[in-house]
Amino acid sequence: DVKVTQSSRYLVKRTGEKVFLECVQDMDHENMFWYRQDPGLGLRLIYFSYDVKMKEKGDIPEGYSVSREKKERFSLILESASTNQTSMYLCASSSFETGEVQPQHFGDGTRLSIL
Amino acid sequence: QKEVEQNSGPLSVPEGAIASLNCTYSDRGSQSFFWYRQYSGKSPELIMFIYSNGDKEDGRFTAQLNKASQYVSLLIRDSQPSDSATYLCAVLNQAGTALIFGKGTTLSVSS
Repeated sequence: DVKVTQSSRYLVKRTGEKVFLECVQDMDHENMFWYRQDPGLGLRLIYFSYDVKMKEKGDIPEGYSVSREKKERFSLILESASTNQTSMYLCASSSFETGEVQPQHFGDGTRLSIL
Repeated sequence: QKEVEQNSGPLSVPEGAIASLNCTYSDRGSQSFFWYRQYSGKSPELIMFIYSNGDKEDGRFTAQLNKASQYVSLLIRDSQPSDSATYLCAVLNQAGTALIFGKGTTLSVSS
């Protein structure tokens, strides 16, 4: 089974802090994704990556950055946390196989509160 | 902006009934479609995916796809209280780079 592990289940930080959310997958997947999920807004893509040191902006990248130094690890960084970044953050990964559908598998999520 | 639309519900069905969850999408070029189940406070888990027109069955679940109508559905036969959750429809964009999620339909199965 695919295992996507997020470093924290719950996290409380203060406005202005730099916040790191970590995600590790154990299936040698090429693709990794960061989403946030808010009531009434659904899942929204923040950033994704298709290879080491590679990143692409999703729908809502403002206020976030990412890092992928190793294939198994994808980090989301809140440069200066604000209260509107209080949310559930979900990491996902998928493999890349030409011509085949490869679904995304999600981690357990990090519920982040910014005070 | 490409969109995926779902009725938010709640959809309420009695135990043993068939639950029908529907999803429409705007990107005519989309090729791959996914259904995820999400229990309250938990992360989404994949139920099924489908990329050919027609039906695909897996146990009590059947996914149906009609690309001409830009419509995908999920049928749950013999619904159980444990099926009570939010069901997310997701569509792979044309570029094949990212999933676009609907906001989900909440299903409630009463015993």
